[in-house]
Amino acid sequence: SQTIHQWPATLVQPVGSPLSLECTVEGTSNPNLYWYRQAAGRGLQLLFYSVGIGQISSEVPQNLSASRPQDRQFILSSKKLLLSDSGFYLCAWSGGGGGYTFGSGTRLTVV
Amino acid sequence: KQEVTQIPAALSVPEGENLVLNCSFTDSAIYNLQWFRQDPGKGLTSLLLIQSSQREQTSGRLNASLDKSSGRSTLYIAASQPGDSATYLCAERGGSNYKLTFGKGTLLTVNP
Repeated sequence: SQTIHQWPATLVQPVGSPLSLECTVEGTSNPNLYWYRQAAGRGLQLLFYSVGIGQISSEVPQNLSASRPQDRQFILSSKKLLLSDSGFYLCAWSGGGGGYTFGSGTRLTVV
Repeated sequence: KQEVTQIPAALSVPEGENLVLNCSFTDSAIYNLQWFRQDPGKGLTSLLLIQSSQREQTSGRLNASLDKSSGRSTLYIAASQPGDSATYLCAERGGSNYKLTFGKGTLLTVNP
C-alpha cells in the first residue's frame, strides 16, 4: 500500500533562517507531488506541484522554493524565512486514480 | 478562477442525528470531487472520491453525491457520533490541470 511521510511535525524557526521540509512517498512510482499551505483562518493554498523529477510548477510568487531530486521525494525550502511564512504545510500525492493523499503536515512557526 | 463554497461554515448536532454538508463548485469541466476530514492540528484524511462520471459514493455511514449540472455535492453522514466531530473539506479537481481547489470547510460538532 502507498504511504506518505512528512517531517518534521513541528518546527519553530527565527526570521531569516533557512528552511527545509521533506516529503517522501512509498509504494508507488511517478506520483504527482504537491505542497499546500494552510494559514490560520484561511483555506488550503497550493504552493507547488511536480509531475516528475526536476519538474516544478509554482502557483504563487513567494519566499519559498521546491525541488524533486528523486521520483518519490519532494522538498520545500527557503533561504530566509519571513514571519508570513508561518503556517501548516501539507505534502500530498496523486496517481492514476486521481484522488489525493495527504501527509500529516508540518506546523511551522517563524518567530 | 474556480471556486468551491461550503455551507454551513459550522454545524452542531446531537449524537444520532443524520446530517448533510453542502459543497458547490463553479468548474463545469470537473474531473473529480473529493471529501476530506481534518482533525485539529492534523493532516487531511480522504473520505470519498467521486469521479465526474459517477453520481455517488458510499463508505460506511458516509454517502457523497455529485451533480455536475447544478455544480453541487453533498456529504451525508448517518447516525452521527461524537467521533465524527472534525472539519470536513470538499475539493474539486478540474480536467485541465492537477490542482485541487478547496472549500473553506464545515466545522462539525456532534454533542453526546
